Amino acid sequence: GQQLNQSPQSMFIQEGEDVSMNCTSSSIFNTWLWYKQDPGEGPVLLIALYKAGELTSNGRLTAQFGITRKDSFLNISASIPSDVGIYFCAGLEWETSYDKVIFGPGTSLSVIP
Amino acid sequence: GAGVSQSPSNKVTEKGKDVELRCDPISGHTALYWYRQSLGQGLEFLIYFQGNSAPDKSGLPSDRFSAERTGGSVSTLTIQRTQQEDSAVYLCASSLRISGSYEQYFGPGTRLTVT
Repeated sequence: GQQLNQSPQSMFIQEGEDVSMNCTSSSIFNTWLWYKQDPGEGPVLLIALYKAGELTSNGRLTAQFGITRKDSFLNISASIPSDVGIYFCAGLEWETSYDKVIFGPGTSLSVIP
Repeated sequence: GAGVSQSPSNKVTEKGKDVELRCDPISGHTALYWYRQSLGQGLEFLIYFQGNSAPDKSGLPSDRFSAERTGGSVSTLTIQRTQQEDSAVYLCASSLRISGSYEQYFGPGTRLTVT
């Protein structure tokens, strides 16, 4: 079946560094979503991308929808301790009456103060 | 309410018992999704509702799992004869699902422990 791959699987960075993670698929999606999950909480939506090539920012976060529609990346600039968590990408195919959503396995981010 | 709510937040049950997990989606959201997340793992899709119907039940792990949604709002996920491998966090998400808005918003989850 369809699968999303996220890399890296985990990251340990110093506070203030920039972070880059990506998500790839063998299938085409028409929506990419990026989520962050804190321990014991549900995932929180960070950014939604709907158009190939689209580049969207949300504060220190920037995400892009790859032009092949098979990948997406998320960048975090000037990381801070509260950026710690697991970042999930999700690819979504929406049709008239049916959604198919695939989540990646996540990238675990640790920020060292 | 402002967001998706789930109850209970934690459930401990004995192997073989049935459990019901509840999800209250964001008001007006027509689509509702159930996922399962095992410790340290990603999200496993279980079932998707559009209104009260479930176009996709392909993720339900076995016939012990069932879900329903009534009134286009509240959904209940039922696990019969629970097994230890059912222990996980069960997450619910809802979506407005109209043109240009397919984002899913998650609840805090129900942590199920089967002893």
